[in-house]
Amino acid sequence: EAQVTQNPRYLITVTGKKLTVTCSQNMNHEYMSWYRQDPGLGLRQIYYSMNVEVTDKGDVPEGYKVSRKEKRNFPLILESPSPNQTSLYFCASSPAGAYEQYFGPGTRLTVT
Amino acid sequence: EDQVTQSPEALRLQEGESSSLNCSYTVSGLRGLFWYRQDPGKGPEFLFTLYSAGEEKEKERLKATLTKKESFLHITAPKPEDSATYLCAVQRRGSTLGRLYFGRGTQLTVWP
Repeated sequence: EAQVTQNPRYLITVTGKKLTVTCSQNMNHEYMSWYRQDPGLGLRQIYYSMNVEVTDKGDVPEGYKVSRKEKRNFPLILESPSPNQTSLYFCASSPAGAYEQYFGPGTRLTVT
Repeated sequence: EDQVTQSPEALRLQEGESSSLNCSYTVSGLRGLFWYRQDPGKGPEFLFTLYSAGEEKEKERLKATLTKKESFLHITAPKPEDSATYLCAVQRRGSTLGRLYFGRGTQLTVWP
């Protein structure tokens, strides 16, 4: 089944404790993105990647890191999480030359 | 500065009562405009891509149209299962493929 998977789905952590949210797609897509969704603010793009080793900033990259060492994986790293990073996070992928994005199920992160 | 504005924020319709959702955009050059549906607790699901003014796309009870300044998502004779948040996104001409700007969404509730 073609899909985008994210892990973990739910995470509660404390300020300053480094964490990684994984994202994997099995569709051989070139493009991958990370978004955060907050009430009243909608979906905002954090980082996106056009292919392996090629990434760029979106609307709200501060406090986040990404890497794309393999085509199928695009992890989101929070080196020192803060409470304002409490949010619902989505990973998405799309094939080159197409605009339809396939979204993962989301990761709900709470930073206390 | 918002590049994508959706209205209304919330809409309640009785089953069978047709209506339209609006997405206005201010990007200087549009490469594409996209509509997504999002159910509570899930990732957005792709509906339509529109590329040029005058273009229309249909899927079941939904029809998306595009002008030079805005897009409409028309819902004809909606059913309760059409209840969801509908998101609009744009990609600017000249920007990197994969860079999307989302609106804040319209939460649609259809009651029997």
